[in-house]
This record gives sequence, C-alpha cells and structure tokens, in this order.
Amino acid sequence: KQEVTQIPAALSVPEGENLVLNCSFTDSAIYNLQWFRQDPGKGLTSLLLIQSSQREQTSGRLNASLDKSSGRSTLYIAASQPGDSATYLCAVINQAGTALIFGKGTTLSVSS
Amino acid sequence: DAGVIQSPRHEVTEMGQEVTLRCKPISGHNSLFWYRQTMMRGLELLIYFNNNVPIDDSGMPEDRFSAKMPNASFSTLKIQPSEPRDSAVYFCASSLVATHEQYFGPGTRLTVT
Repeated sequence: KQEVTQIPAALSVPEGENLVLNCSFTDSAIYNLQWFRQDPGKGLTSLLLIQSSQREQTSGRLNASLDKSSGRSTLYIAASQPGDSATYLCAVINQAGTALIFGKGTTLSVSS
Repeated sequence: DAGVIQSPRHEVTEMGQEVTLRCKPISGHNSLFWYRQTMMRGLELLIYFNNNVPIDDSGMPEDRFSAKMPNASFSTLKIQPSEPRDSAVYFCASSLVATHEQYFGPGTRLTVT
C-alpha cells in the first residue's frame, strides 16, 4: 500500500531564506507527483505536476524534483516571502491514474 | 473558467439527518474525485468517477455514504444518516484523464452535532 510521508511537519523561517520541503513515497510505481498549497480554511491549489518520466518542474520561485528510484521528491522555494506561509501537500498518483495519495503536509511559516 | 464549484460551503446538521454535498467539475474534465480531510487522517479519497461511471469506491467509509454522477457536470455525495464522526471538510476535484492533474474545489465544511 502506497504511503506518502512529508518531513518536517512544520517549518518556520525568516523572510528571504531559501528552503526545501521533503516528500517520500514507498511505491515507486507512480504515474505522476503533484505538489499543492493549502491556505487555512481554503481548498488546495495545484503548484507543480511532475510526470513520472520527468526529473523536475519549475514555476517562478518554486522548483520540484522527482527521484522515482529512491521514492523522493523535494519542493524548493527560493527567497521565501510571508505570502508563502501555508501548508504544502505532496501527492502521488498511481499508475492507473485513479487515486491521489496525500502526505500529511508541511506547514510553513515565513516571518517578516 | 470558474474552476470546480462546491455547495454548500458550510453545513451544520444534527446527527441522524441526511446531508447532500454537491459538485460541479471543470467543463471538459472527465474524471471526478471526492475526498475527505480531517486533522487525524489528512486527505483521503472516497470515490472516483471516470466519464460519469464510479470506478473505485473502496474509500467510502460505510454504506451510509453514497455518491452519484448523473451527468458530466454534476455530482453529489450523500450521507444518510449523518453522525458526529462524519464532521470534516469534503473536497471535490476534477481532472482530464490525459494529464491526471487534479483541480480542487473550495470544499464543504460539514459539522454534525
């Protein structure tokens, strides 16, 4: 059974720092991996989608990498801002494309 | 595009009552998913539809839960009878089968007293 783990559960950094959020999964037979952002009381916003054949995706200050063989993904946030404060969720989709399995998330707090 | 639309946004009901949650997926998307989010268990998939047909309902917790998708633009999740442990945020998401990138609605916060 696929399990997704995110470390750390919470992270506090001062504004301007570069940071890395980690995600690991137990079954490397995935179709793709998706990173989401969730603000308190809100829905999920898709940040980046990495296909299983890809190694990384970039969007603005965000860069996500994928290493299927080791079952790991990282989300790199450059020059963090207070507006980046949110919970970041990693999810893998199985090869049939029928299910997203989520980690519990990393709650990020960026102080000004 | 308006994105995935869910209603109601908040629902407070008493134990034993029937609850119906509604979802309108993004136009053109052919897959629809219902999830439940709690502090203890995080986000869990309840049921998945492809082209309006339920494909996997193994995540539906009990027979009290049922979901329908009568057409490509509408789905419901019903709980009958509701119980306090059903209190959670319920999300609907949709995607294209070709990409599997899922887009989530704002969620319905359900409180059962």
